[in-house]
Parts: sequence; structure tokens; C-alpha cells
Amino acid sequence: AQSVTQLDSQVPVFEEAPVELRCNYSSSVSVYLFWYVQYPNQGLQLLLKYLSGSTLVKGINGFEAEFNKSQTSFHLRKPSVHISDTAEYFCAVSDRASAGGTSYGKLTFGQGTILTVHP
Amino acid sequence: NAGVTQTPKFRILKIGQSMTLQCTQDMNHNYMYWYRQDPGMGLKLIYYSVGAGITDKGEVPNGYNVSRSTTEDFPLRLELAAPSQTSVYFCASRPITDSAEAFFGQGTRLTVV
Repeated sequence: AQSVTQLDSQVPVFEEAPVELRCNYSSSVSVYLFWYVQYPNQGLQLLLKYLSGSTLVKGINGFEAEFNKSQTSFHLRKPSVHISDTAEYFCAVSDRASAGGTSYGKLTFGQGTILTVHP
Repeated sequence: NAGVTQTPKFRILKIGQSMTLQCTQDMNHNYMYWYRQDPGMGLKLIYYSVGAGITDKGEVPNGYNVSRSTTEDFPLRLELAAPSQTSVYFCASRPITDSAEAFFGQGTRLTVV
């Protein structure tokens, strides 16, 4: 079984300030990690994903995330936010395929973090 | 390229009514999913399909049914609508590559009164 915890339900920040959105996960198997963004009244859009290799992953719109295996975390960061970054952000995991099997890509989501950027 | 298309975008149902939420994708993806999104709860998996004719339950399947007669279409059926089914519903698809990301539709906002 998997679980994903986003530690902050709401994060208010001023424009051009840095921001970090925190995500911890729990899983008995190896996972892939994703951050999705949802702008108001829209679907989810992929920001970035961690598959393997370098633990620092760069995504779209200047976001990046760092995978920390020992702390089972995948925090999302941006050094300078813009008004247009106001949205809800979701951390998600899916199982890696095991030998002879597949995970079918089912996603387990965190509760979401609403980022509000103020002028 | 339309991606994942959901219809309708909004719907109000009375308790006990039934309806079908439509989802179609034009990316030839084998895997398709239905999630519901409730405030502060993230998204929960209702049903998923790994190909035409193959469906399986997710985390919260009660009160819903699905079918997958073609690769492109994956409709979600509510038989007897209940207030607990008031939610935003998202359809998603992805290729079978293990590490691939899912592509989401714009969502259907359903209110049951």
C-alpha cells in the first residue's frame, strides 16, 4: 500500500519570493514520483517527474524537485514565484513494475497544496 | 491534438437519477482511469482499464460502473446518484510504458441534489 502526504494544505507567498511545497510518501515498493499542477477550473498538468538517476529534477515553469530516498520526500521548489503560479499542486506516486508484473500506472495522490501568490 | 476529452463539463443531477460521464482520448493509450476529486482529499481512483474489454476497480468504486469497448472511449456510469457522489471527476490516459505520465481531461463537475 502507498500513501502520500502533502504537509501544507495552503501556502501563501508574495510575488518573487521563493517557495517550497512539501511531499512525503510511504510505499513498500519502489515508486515513480510526480508533481502535477491544477489551475482553476482546469485539469491536471504534469510539472515534473522523478524516474531514476539525479535526485534533482527540473520541470516546467522554473519548478524543480529533489528526491530524498532516506527521508522518503519529494519537495517541490521555485526560487521566485509569479502571480501566474497561483494554483493547486499535487504530489503523486505510482509503483514501478516488478519482475514479471506491471503496476498499470495507477496514481496515489496527496491531498493537494493550494499556492496563492500575492502581489 | 485533442488529448483527453470529457463531456459534459458541468451537470446537476437529482438523487436517484442516472447518467454517463463520457471520456475519449485520441493518443492510442492502452491505460485509462477515472478519478474523483474532493476538496482537501486529493484524487481517488474509481476504476481503471488496461485495454479494450478489460476493467478493474480502484479505491472507491461503489456506486459506479465502467465499460471499455474501444481503445478510445471509457465512459463512467452512475446508476443511482447520491449526494456523496457530488465531486469533480477526471478521466486520464497513459501509454503502457512503465514510467510514462498520465494525461488528464478538463474534468466534469457533478452536483447531486
